[in-house]
Amino acid sequence: EVQLLESGGGLEQPGRSLRLSCTVSGFTFTNYAMTWVRQAPGKGLQWVAGIASGGGSTYYADSVKGRFTISRDNSKNTLFLQMNSLRAEDTALYYCARNDFGGNWFFDYWGQGTLVTVSS
Amino acid sequence: DIQMTQSPSTLSASVGDRVTITCRASQSVSTWLAWYQQKPGKAPKLLIYTASTLESGVPSRFSGSGSGTEFTLTISSLQPDDFAIYYCQQYWSYSYTFGQGTKLEIK
Repeated sequence: EVQLLESGGGLEQPGRSLRLSCTVSGFTFTNYAMTWVRQAPGKGLQWVAGIASGGGSTYYADSVKGRFTISRDNSKNTLFLQMNSLRAEDTALYYCARNDFGGNWFFDYWGQGTLVTVSS
Repeated sequence: DIQMTQSPSTLSASVGDRVTITCRASQSVSTWLAWYQQKPGKAPKLLIYTASTLESGVPSRFSGSGSGTEFTLTISSLQPDDFAIYYCQQYWSYSYTFGQGTKLEIK
């Protein structure tokens, strides 16, 4: 059974940092690109960042470029999102999601999300 | 960035109804379009990709069509489990944008 489990969310002040993790099981992690998608409270979905299966290529939404870093540890089946210089508008539920096996940027499995709240 | 616009924003319908949700892209995305269903407090669930391919395990009452800039998601006969929010998403180009969502509610 495919499972994705996010952790690391919480309440943080503007300008500070948080590191999210997503531990996966039930599939060969190294075969899949992975993605972070966020959802602000009561709002829609926003693609945040993605990483190729080998980790060599990363992609970011303009709103987080230069502040967030996506990475992965294929030996530990874990995806990360390092979030620096946090802003109030980063407040959201952050989902990790698995890209389609063909490497396309749609998402066939999602975790349950970890909540990030940025507030002083 | 490609903008995705769904209509309607809210749709009221009854069990057994046939319903259609429309998604329009600000420029052509070919058939690189997916549909997701999200229930309260849950993660999104993939329903359809490449505009019309049904994800494994998704009931056949769901169908998708379209290409270019206009797409539709149709539910042929609404079931109680189908009341949720539906999102389209283009994956033709960065930044893989989602529509704003269509809330399907019970009439």
